[in-house]
Parts: sequence; C-alpha cells; structure tokens
Amino acid sequence: GDSVTQMEGPVTLSEEAFLTINCTYTATGYPSLFWYVQYPGEGLQLLLKATKADDKGSNKGFEATYRKETTSFHLEKGSVQVSDSAVYFCALRPLGEAGTALIFGKGTTLSVSS
Amino acid sequence: DVKVTQSSRYLVKRTGEKVFLECVQDMDHENMFWYRQDPGLGLRLIYFSYDVKMKEKGDIPEGYSVSREKKERFSLILESASTNQTSMYLCASSPMTSGRANEQFFGPGTRLTVL
Repeated sequence: GDSVTQMEGPVTLSEEAFLTINCTYTATGYPSLFWYVQYPGEGLQLLLKATKADDKGSNKGFEATYRKETTSFHLEKGSVQVSDSAVYFCALRPLGEAGTALIFGKGTTLSVSS
Repeated sequence: DVKVTQSSRYLVKRTGEKVFLECVQDMDHENMFWYRQDPGLGLRLIYFSYDVKMKEKGDIPEGYSVSREKKERFSLILESASTNQTSMYLCASSPMTSGRANEQFFGPGTRLTVL
C-alpha cells in the first residue's frame, strides 16, 4: 500500500542554520503531497503542498519540490528561527476518491536554539 | 476563518468508562476523520466519514466506534476505555471535491489519559 517515510528526529539546529527534512513516498501514480506542522500544544496545520511532478510548494520560507523520479518531497528552509521549533509531518493523498484520508509519516521534531 | 473544534483539550477517564470525543466543523465539509497520535508512530487513522450516517474503518478501529448524525459533527466513542487508549486524538475535515490539493483541516486535539 501507499506509505510515507521521513527522517527520524529529533533535528537540533542553531538559529539561521539551513534545514532539510527528508521525505520519500511509495504510491501508485501521482499522489498529492503535503507538509504539515504541529506547534507545541496545537493541532496540525498545513505548511505547503504540491499536486504534480516538479511542482514546488512554498510558505513562510519553507520549500519542497515534488520529485517523481526520486519519489521525494524534501522540506527545506534556508535560515531557521527559534519559532520554527515544531513537529513536521510529510503526508500524501492517494489517487482515488476526493474523500480519501491522508497518509502521514511519523513526524520529525525540529528544535532550534538561539 | 475555517474552524475545527474539539470538545475538550484534556480529558482524564478511568478504565472501563465510556468516553465521547466530539468534533465540530463549520466549513460544511463532507469528510471528517479521527486520528490518534502517539510518539514514534505519527498519526494513525481510526475512522472516517464521507457523509452523514456513513463511516469507514481506518487502520486501527478496534476499541472505537463513531457517530455522524449531522454533517458538522463527528463523534468518537470509546465503549470501554483502556489504558492503551491513552493518546492524543485529532479530528480533521476536508471537502468532497475533485481538487487534488484538498487539504485536511485539523482541530487542536484532545489529550486523553485513561487511568
């Protein structure tokens, strides 16, 4: 079945460092891909998304490019801030009915220190 | 502003109790979902519903049931709570349209502790 694998954390960085969180997927055809972020004590919120190969999603300085050839959707940010400390989830929506549930990776905890 | 609300942020129950977790969305979405979140396991789908009175099992439905009597409300029921159901429970909703970019909107979560 479809699945998402993301790098295990925690990831610990200093402020202004470069961030990469790896995400790869297994799916039939061309799923939609998402990154969600969960700040401490809150629910998940959408960070960015991409729906077809070579699409680049971006938001709040974060970027991810849908790479069909490597089945990847890595999250990057050029200069992280303390406020970026959170748990990041990669997810896919399989092909099929619009009501299909998302499939999530296990999450990567990011901790940024000043 | 779109909103998914959950009835409680924190809940403490005793083993064997019947527990109701309520979720309400104000976006007129057809689809609603219940997940549980555990450290190292990510989000796992318990049940989802694509219409009133309709429900589908997710990956881990055992020990849970759901109710969707109205479009905006989706309830998760623990018939007889057990300690291994101590977890964070997240509700989500999404529209039933053909758009491939349809995201899910999440509530703030309910942290349930079963003693």
